[in-house]
Amino acid sequence: QSVLTQPPSVSAAPGQKVTISCSGSSSNIANNYVSWYQQLPGTAPKLLIYENDERPSGIPDRFSGSKSGTSATLVITGLQTGDEADYYCATWDTSLSAWVFGGGTKLTVL
Amino acid sequence: QITLKESGPTLVKPTQTLTLTCTFSGFSFSTNGVGVGWIRQPPGKALEWLALIYWDDDKRYRPSLKSRLTITKDTSKNQVVLRMTNMDPVDTATYYCAHRKGAFDVWGQGTVVTVSS
Repeated sequence: QSVLTQPPSVSAAPGQKVTISCSGSSSNIANNYVSWYQQLPGTAPKLLIYENDERPSGIPDRFSGSKSGTSATLVITGLQTGDEADYYCATWDTSLSAWVFGGGTKLTVL
Repeated sequence: QITLKESGPTLVKPTQTLTLTCTFSGFSFSTNGVGVGWIRQPPGKALEWLALIYWDDDKRYRPSLKSRLTITKDTSKNQVVLRMTNMDPVDTATYYCAHRKGAFDVWGQGTVVTVSS
């Protein structure tokens, strides 16, 4: 089981908004930066969000991140069919001295 | 622009040692804070971090695999090498290397490794 808990799947219609949660603990999310990754089918993961809420250049502002306590959230607005992918959260776990990833969330755009 | 590319065997036998090489360009280990990590993904499963080496040669390993993993860097060749001993069929996965400056901001395309006799 992953140290970070994500819902296995979420879905929404094109143009709508979706929220993906990532739940952790005081040894990881609460005291370290969270990053989010998008993995389109058959491709390598791509960084979407770093340092909880920062977007790398080239990432549309439809993607946003936030963190509160031991949880983090990725919000995608204006959903497009091209957003169908697996999404992963990640952070450093101080107790484990290890990078940890969530179990991943499969986004379906209906 | 930063690029990374993984290389190594596509098939290894159980108990053998896997050696993977990550060849990169667009950055160097002379930059403070830079690291290169290895992350794997078994078929249909989640990402799993394995190891990370920093610019100052500090090394971190996944605790459950620490006894089997060795990560090294060759700054003259712009390469990072991961060795994993005693391979098992459960180690079958796509193995990625990634540049780390804060987060894993640039990833290689991945290399598929199958463990089978």
